Amino acid sequence: NAGVTQTPKFQVLKTGQSMTLQCAQDMNHEYMSWYRQDPGMGLRLIHYSVGAGITDQGEVPNGYNVSRSTTEDFPLRLLSAAPSQTSVYFCASSSLGQGKDTDTQYFGPGTRLTVL
Amino acid sequence: GQSLEQPSEVTAVEGAIVQINCTYQTSGFYGLSWYQQHDGGAPTFLSYNALDGLEETGRFSSFLSRSDSYGYLLLQELQMKDSASYFCAVSTGRRALTFGSGTRLQVQP
Repeated sequence: NAGVTQTPKFQVLKTGQSMTLQCAQDMNHEYMSWYRQDPGMGLRLIHYSVGAGITDQGEVPNGYNVSRSTTEDFPLRLLSAAPSQTSVYFCASSSLGQGKDTDTQYFGPGTRLTVL
Repeated sequence: GQSLEQPSEVTAVEGAIVQINCTYQTSGFYGLSWYQQHDGGAPTFLSYNALDGLEETGRFSSFLSRSDSYGYLLLQELQMKDSASYFCAVSTGRRALTFGSGTRLQVQP
């Protein structure tokens, strides 16, 4: 199993450009989520999904869109990049059990995004 | 909303025991998790508590007191490879985690 994979690993954008960060998992997890991590800080939830066709907003959703057409994939779209979106983006997945099953989230390696 | 507090930095020597505390305020509570993150890496799951008490996993233990909104991670027999950031996180039933800002642990020889 590859676990959670993310592409690209690094990306530089100019202000106003759009792009999609890819995330895929092969563990048949229902729950997937996107976090951003700014230097010296914890992870903040952007969007999450509890299954194909179902998405919801997290703590910092503005400027980002998501969709979940399959169980495996959960792409994150930046609509019009801004310097404030410079961050490391992590995708995570987990099963939809109770307690520890759900809280044991498996993280991808991250995408390091710089917006100039 | 949710908020978590943990120390920003802790330093300890190899072979020692270190405790990283976490206090939280939340409108709902399902469990407290701990994650480890090495520089440049992804967070990895360490431990989880839903009920009061101690959970032990090898050299790592985690404790929770729901009445005090408090938990800690205990690392024993510290090794150089334990130098990393440690995050506590609460789940509130939305199937989403709220993370603390992290504690940077530096293990010295």
